[in-house]
Amino acid sequence: AQTVTQSQPEMSVQEAETVTLSCTYDTSESDYYLFWYKQPPSRQMILVIRQEAYKQQNATENRFSVNFQKAAKSFSLKISDSQLGDAAMYFCVIFSGTYKYIFGTGTRLKVLA
Amino acid sequence: NAGVMQNPRHLVRRRGQEARLRCSPMKGHSHVYWYRQLPEEGLKFMVYLQKENIIDESGMPKERFSAEFPKEGPSILRIQQVVRGDSAAYFCASSPAGGEQFFGPGTRLTVL
Repeated sequence: AQTVTQSQPEMSVQEAETVTLSCTYDTSESDYYLFWYKQPPSRQMILVIRQEAYKQQNATENRFSVNFQKAAKSFSLKISDSQLGDAAMYFCVIFSGTYKYIFGTGTRLKVLA
Repeated sequence: NAGVMQNPRHLVRRRGQEARLRCSPMKGHSHVYWYRQLPEEGLKFMVYLQKENIIDESGMPKERFSAEFPKEGPSILRIQQVVRGDSAAYFCASSPAGGEQFFGPGTRLTVL
């Protein structure tokens, strides 16, 4: 069985500062994908960033980057230059083997002006 | 190319009524997935369908819940005799061939 653990229910960051959201996972598959999704109050699921497990290079999307440690099964999200619009729930997701997306319990990010 | 569409966006039902949630996948996508999100939780898989076939319904409650994806028209998630515990956000996702999924905006079901 696959699991995703987000140990930080809530995080806060000052506007323009950097914050890192943690995620660990477990899977017996060798080929899988990891995602971070953002869910603002509108509840729309917005894909922030994806990482293919076979790629050693960490994915980057503008102000968002990941630290993917495959051996440690860790997949953290770094948000640089935080903006008020970054405030949302963030979900770490694993997709492998089967067609099911497995979600973590989420981290609520607050951005302080 | 329009994204995944779900309607209604908000649905209010009284206990004992039926709820029908609709999902139109992205153009060219023949795989549909339904997920449920309870308050303060992540999404949880319910059912996976291809056109006219249920592939996996292992995440769906055995009673009162059913899903279909007919040859023509949207996928339907049907909840009979709703109870307060069914209140949640229901998300549909689609993919072209079992790969990366694209999520719809969700339907928020409130049971009074």
